Amino acid sequence: AQSVSQHNHHVILSEAASLELGCNYSYGGTVNLFWYVQYPGQHLQLLLKYFSGDPLVKGIKGFEAEFIKSKFSFNLRKPSVQWSDTAEYFCAVLPLGAGNNRKLIWGLGTSLAVNP
Amino acid sequence: DTEVTQTPKHLVMGMTNKKSLKCEQHMGHRAMYWYKQKAKKPPELMFVYSYEKLSINESVPSRFSPECPNSSLLNLHLHALQPEDSALYLCASSQTVNQPQHFGDGTRLSIL
Repeated sequence: AQSVSQHNHHVILSEAASLELGCNYSYGGTVNLFWYVQYPGQHLQLLLKYFSGDPLVKGIKGFEAEFIKSKFSFNLRKPSVQWSDTAEYFCAVLPLGAGNNRKLIWGLGTSLAVNP
Repeated sequence: DTEVTQTPKHLVMGMTNKKSLKCEQHMGHRAMYWYKQKAKKPPELMFVYSYEKLSINESVPSRFSPECPNSSLLNLHLHALQPEDSALYLCASSQTVNQPQHFGDGTRLSIL
């Protein structure tokens, strides 16, 4: 079955530390890739997406992610986190092959806490 | 602020009640979704409408009944819910099913 794995379930950082959240997926075909963020008490927001082209994509709020096809990975990075980055982060994959029903497959999420 | 509007924001209902959740978007999106989300968990897909037709039903119990009256509106009719149905119910929309989804704030549902 297709799945998305987020390696870190809970991450605690101090402000100004660098962040990298891992995301791997199990699907050999073409995919669209997404990172969503959910701040406390707020709705899910799209951080960034990858469809094709440059595998290094930049999103909102200084986040970026790199698609490495050979590793089936789409890791999220930020050079210097802020307290306001405290949130749940979800990686999601949309398999595009024939026969797929265009259903987003979600990782279990990473809870990030940034200490001031 | 999100461009997907959900009402009500909170709903408390008994197990014998009938109620409806509503979702509206005016972005011209042709795909709309219902999800159920428990705290600190990813959203669980319930239904997908594409061009106002139901395209995915994730084996959701019949006590949840979706309706898409037009391309801007999505309803979720609730009847005889169980306590385990208490959760945050999210609506989302996207231009098509391949595009990024935009989420509403959700309806927090409590079943007594």
